[in-house]
Parts: sequence; structure tokens; C-alpha cells
Amino acid sequence: AQSVTQLGSHVSVSEGALVLLRCNYSSSVPPYLFWYVQYPNQGLQLLLKYTSAATLVKGINGFEAEFKKSETSFHLTKPSAHMSDAAEYFCAVSDHNQGGKLIFGQGTELSVKP
Amino acid sequence: DAGVTQSPTHLIKTRGQQVTLRCSPISGHKSVSWYQQVLGQGPQFIFQYYEKEERGRGNFPDRFSARQFPNYSSELNVNALLLGDSALYLCASSADSGRRSGELFFGEGSRLTVL
Repeated sequence: AQSVTQLGSHVSVSEGALVLLRCNYSSSVPPYLFWYVQYPNQGLQLLLKYTSAATLVKGINGFEAEFKKSETSFHLTKPSAHMSDAAEYFCAVSDHNQGGKLIFGQGTELSVKP
Repeated sequence: DAGVTQSPTHLIKTRGQQVTLRCSPISGHKSVSWYQQVLGQGPQFIFQYYEKEERGRGNFPDRFSARQFPNYSSELNVNALLLGDSALYLCASSADSGRRSGELFFGEGSRLTVL
């Protein structure tokens, strides 16, 4: 069965510092992987997705993620944090047995200190 | 262009009652999925519908049901509400049947509180 593990339920960084949110996946087939962001009292917005093309994926708002098969990881990074990046971030893998179904991690809350 | 719209945005029910949540997908999208997000957790898949047919069901009891209408809008029904059903219910639409590479577009959710 496929699964996603996000390491760290809460990450705090200073404004301008590097953002690193960790995600590891488990899948018996090449996965399709996603990062979504959720702002308070809102739905989820897609940041980026990996669909077996380039292993380094660039998303919106300066975020990017690198697919590393050997490490079964898909960590999300941003070189310089902005106050507006404070939100909940979810990593997800597409269930290859049920197209359209996403399996989400528990989420990581990102706080940005001034 | 309008995104995914859900109604109501907030509602309060008591145990044992029934609730119906509604979702309108993005124009042209034929697939609708429902997710439950309990506070502090990631969304959990409930149902997916494509072209008015159920394409997937998550690990939820039979108290949960859904349907999709000819205009591709959808309803999620929950009967005999329990306190544990309190959650944010998210609807997502996609353009295709939800193949693995498909992107889901989420609404802002319906927050259900069961007292």
C-alpha cells in the first residue's frame, strides 16, 4: 500500500532563511507526488507535482522539490522564506489503484518569524 | 472563472442528525472527489465520481454516501452523525477521470461541527 510520511509536524524558520519540509513516500510503482499548501480556513492549493519527468520540480511562489528514488523522498524547499509562506503544507502520493485518489501525509505547519 | 464552490461553508448539527453537503466543480470538469479533514490531520479520501459513476470509495462507513448530477455537481450525505464526524469536508474537481497525473482543484470546504 502506498503511504506518505512527513517528518516534523511543525517547522519554524526566520524570514529570509531556507525552508525545508521533508516528505518520504512508500510505493511499489513509480509514484506521482504532490505538494499542496493550505492557508487558514481555506482549501488546498497545488504547489507542484512530480509525474516522472524531471526530478527537480519547480512550483509556484518560489518553491521546488526534488524526487530522489534512492531515498524515496520528495522534500520541499524554498531558498528564502517570506512571512506569507506561513501555512500548512501537505505531501501526497497518487494511489495507482484508484486514479484520482490522493493519499496525504499528516501535514507540516510552517511558521515564519520576522 | 469560478473555482470549486462548496456549500454551506459552516454548519452545526447534533448527534444522530443527517447532513447534505454540496459541491460545484470547475466548469468543464467531470470528476468530483470528496475528502474529510479532521483537525490536525491530512485529508482522507471518501469518494470519487466521474461522469456520474462512483469510481472510488475510501474506508468510511455506509453512513456516508454521495452522488453526482448530470451537470457534474455533487452531494455528500452523512447519516446518523457522530461527534467524530466533525471535520472540514473538502470537494475537489479534475478535468479527467483522475488519472495519476491529474491535478485536483480543491474548494474551501464545508466545516461541520457535530454537538
